Amino acid sequence: GAGVSQSPRYKVAKRGQDVALRCDPISGHVSLFWYQQALGQGPEFLTYFQNEAQLDKSGLPSDRFFAERPEGSVSTLKIQRTQQEDSAVYLCASSPDLSNTEAFFGQGTRLTVV
Amino acid sequence: AQSVSQHNHHVILSEAASLELGCNYSYGGTVNLFWYVQYPGQHLQLLLKYFSGDPLVKGIKGFEAEFIKSKFSFNLRKPSVQWSDTAEYFCAVNRGTNAGKSTFGDGTTLTVKP
Repeated sequence: GAGVSQSPRYKVAKRGQDVALRCDPISGHVSLFWYQQALGQGPEFLTYFQNEAQLDKSGLPSDRFFAERPEGSVSTLKIQRTQQEDSAVYLCASSPDLSNTEAFFGQGTRLTVV
Repeated sequence: AQSVSQHNHHVILSEAASLELGCNYSYGGTVNLFWYVQYPGQHLQLLLKYFSGDPLVKGIKGFEAEFIKSKFSFNLRKPSVQWSDTAEYFCAVNRGTNAGKSTFGDGTTLTVKP
């Protein structure tokens, strides 16, 4: 596809369940970012990959959050033992080169923890 | 830590009215500034960005923004809004050229009445 694709679009998880969220960046894009957007707030940075290397994970809120991009394309954000405060929209963005002057966002995955 | 303030949470205008959305940031060093728009049901899209040079930046769809360093502001303007401008608008700041790692404001919802 032409844009950043995220799946699933919606996910309902029971508290304590593990979830995996997928991001397919634009083909050939070097950089990939994950954001968390709580209801009524702006996106908050979680982590950044350059190819397969995770260069910045300063925004991950706890050690229950883990992200990977093993082959430098598709990325997965995993949340273990989900809690209600994890309910949010998780956004993925990619950028074509190392200058990262523009980020292209996906539509996000809305996670609801019940 | 840097922060971004968007003072107007919800703005309602009639078509052809002029628009100005406020954005102030807290970081005192060199910054790069962005405005994103999110139309209902769609992903975040870049409206315009400022890295250096002319502080008056023109973006897509007739939008412009002015960077005023002394006021730590980057307000978004449009002389005459249309019904199709109904959307949520986010201001974002980062301290490098890494557009993907940005601090976002909480957004302003713009409703344009036909």
